[in-house]
Amino acid sequence: SAVISQKPSRDICQRGTSLTIQCQVDSQVTMMFWYRQQPGQSLTLIATANQGSEATYESGFVIDKFPISRPNLTFSTLTVSNMSPEDSSIYLCSVERGSTNGYTFGSGTRLTVV
Amino acid sequence: AQSVTQLGSHVSVSEGALVLLRCNYSSSVPPYLFWYVQYPNQGLQLLLKYTSAATLVKGINGFEAEFKKSETSFHLTKPSAHMSDAAEYFCAVTTSQGAQKLVFGQGTRLTINP
Repeated sequence: SAVISQKPSRDICQRGTSLTIQCQVDSQVTMMFWYRQQPGQSLTLIATANQGSEATYESGFVIDKFPISRPNLTFSTLTVSNMSPEDSSIYLCSVERGSTNGYTFGSGTRLTVV
Repeated sequence: AQSVTQLGSHVSVSEGALVLLRCNYSSSVPPYLFWYVQYPNQGLQLLLKYTSAATLVKGINGFEAEFKKSETSFHLTKPSAHMSDAAEYFCAVTTSQGAQKLVFGQGTRLTINP
């Protein structure tokens, strides 16, 4: 399965600032996914990122708040913009190598907004 | 659209006892089903997956799950619980059609009593 390097692993940020999270995969993948896991909650899909096209956002998530870049087939970034304490969550990237192979997740970015 | 319901947000069993974590799914097309485990302060690890082959699926760490189409279920079991099994468990569903995004259940926190 794919190996994903996600960074930073954690950060404490001031409200009103932005944080960019990076996700690097050790092989080329078509689709990359960004999830949010709020404290004590399950994972919610933020958006799907395909190389060379705009990311597709899920209901409740907008590009202005969570801009995503996908410059090539092994890398993506998620920015959490104009942060508030409600954005404190774990953010995870994920890739799939054909749905029958399962999905691999990065180790997550634990974000605390103060 | 697909959805997953995990019955019981918290399950507690004694060490050596049977572990049963329940998952029911909803999908208009044949589903692919997954169980993930998340240990404290860690990312998600794939336990096992069902992708339309054998209905009884064996995974890592002694876990297995059985796909029952008539009951739309994919319950996770382990014959004998170990203290190291204490973690959060997530059931997830996707399909081979459409956006292929992974939809998660609410999660079940498993506690093992000595």
